[in-house]
Amino acid sequence: GAVVSQHPSWVICKSGTSVKIECRSLDFQATTMFWYRQFPKQSLMLMATSNEGSKATYEQGVEKDKFLINHASLTLSTLTVTSAHPEDSSFYICSAPGTGGRGGNQPQHFGDGTRLSIL
Amino acid sequence: DAKTTQPPSMDCAEGRAANLPCNHSTISGNEYVYWYRQIHSQGPQYIIHGLKNNETNEMASLIITEDRKSSTLILPHATLRDTAVYYCIVRRGTYKYIFGTGTRLKVLA
Repeated sequence: GAVVSQHPSWVICKSGTSVKIECRSLDFQATTMFWYRQFPKQSLMLMATSNEGSKATYEQGVEKDKFLINHASLTLSTLTVTSAHPEDSSFYICSAPGTGGRGGNQPQHFGDGTRLSIL
Repeated sequence: DAKTTQPPSMDCAEGRAANLPCNHSTISGNEYVYWYRQIHSQGPQYIIHGLKNNETNEMASLIITEDRKSSTLILPHATLRDTAVYYCIVRRGTYKYIFGTGTRLKVLA
């Protein structure tokens, strides 16, 4: 079945550094991918839609200069948290819609997430 | 996207059926109902989806009311490994999912 892989699964870094998270669709192509953030005991919050070959679409309240998204190929989207601070510590999850099905009803497939801790 | 309402938590005895309800009273005709679950510190796992007919797969059954304003996910024989947060999502063709608060299901031994 369709698999989405995220890397790294866990990262700790110092405040002020930038961190890049990769999201890959392993056996299918994805012109669109999605990035979510999840704080402890809360639901997933959609941050942005990553579009292959064009600019990402950010949800209201998400700083596009803070969370840089690049979708340079049909199987890879990256999220870079720039100048990360402790408040950026969170669980980041990506997803991609599967292929097949009718009328755009394909379920999304999620990565296993990246736990980011900023010291 | 239509909003969904789910009870915040439920308990279920191991081996019994777990019935998880979801209210989506503002659903429109071309919106599908999707169910996912999230086990602690993992990404959401797809379970099942449907438009208006009841659906069944190896994991669960999905019952959608005739007016499509609510649905129920049924795990026929819950096990301890089914303990998770279950999310009901309603979506049309843009693929964008908006997650609600979900139901925290605890399966009890």
